[in-house]
Amino acid sequence: EDQVTQSPEALRLQEGESSSLNCSYTVSGLRGLFWYRQDPGKGPEFLFTLYSAGEEKEKERLKATLTKKESFLHITAPKPEDSATYLCAVQVVGTASKLTFGTGTRLQVTL
Amino acid sequence: DAGVIQSPRHEVTEMGQEVTLRCKPISGHDYLFWYRQTMMRGLELLIYFNNNVPIDDSGMPEDRFSAKMPNASFSTLKIQPSEPRDSAVYFCASSLSRGGDRNQPQHFGDGTRLSIL
Repeated sequence: EDQVTQSPEALRLQEGESSSLNCSYTVSGLRGLFWYRQDPGKGPEFLFTLYSAGEEKEKERLKATLTKKESFLHITAPKPEDSATYLCAVQVVGTASKLTFGTGTRLQVTL
Repeated sequence: DAGVIQSPRHEVTEMGQEVTLRCKPISGHDYLFWYRQTMMRGLELLIYFNNNVPIDDSGMPEDRFSAKMPNASFSTLKIQPSEPRDSAVYFCASSLSRGGDRNQPQHFGDGTRLSIL
């Protein structure tokens, strides 16, 4: 069975304190790994797609990386507006466009 | 550009009543997904459509749940009869297939918060 595990469940950082969120996956064949951001009362907002081990994507203070077993979302010098829940999801070979989501990491960035 | 539009945003109803949730996908997208999000189980895929045809409904919890997509710009998720354990946030998402191995990401609406009393 395909599984996605995110850690930690919650993370509290001070502004400017860099850290990383982890997404571990066990799938029969990875077609793509997706990162989303979700604000309270909103739907998930797409951030990145990674397709193969070694690939990296960046957007402002966020950088996503991928290995054969896990993905990291690195947050450099975070600001309070980066506070949100970060979700990762995998798309598996042979399952068309279906996504399997992890349970997310709730990030709070304080002044 | 208009994103995925869901209605209503909030629904409170009594157990046993029929509930209908609505979704308008992004114009031109050929995939439509219905998800349910709870604190306990996170975001779960219920059913998805490709070109208005249901492809995988294995996530639909039971026969009380049904989904339709009569045309490319509209889908409904219906619960009849509703139960308190159906209380959750229901999201609709759409995406565009590009062929090959690299799909476009799914874009989500802001959800319907459903409370069954």
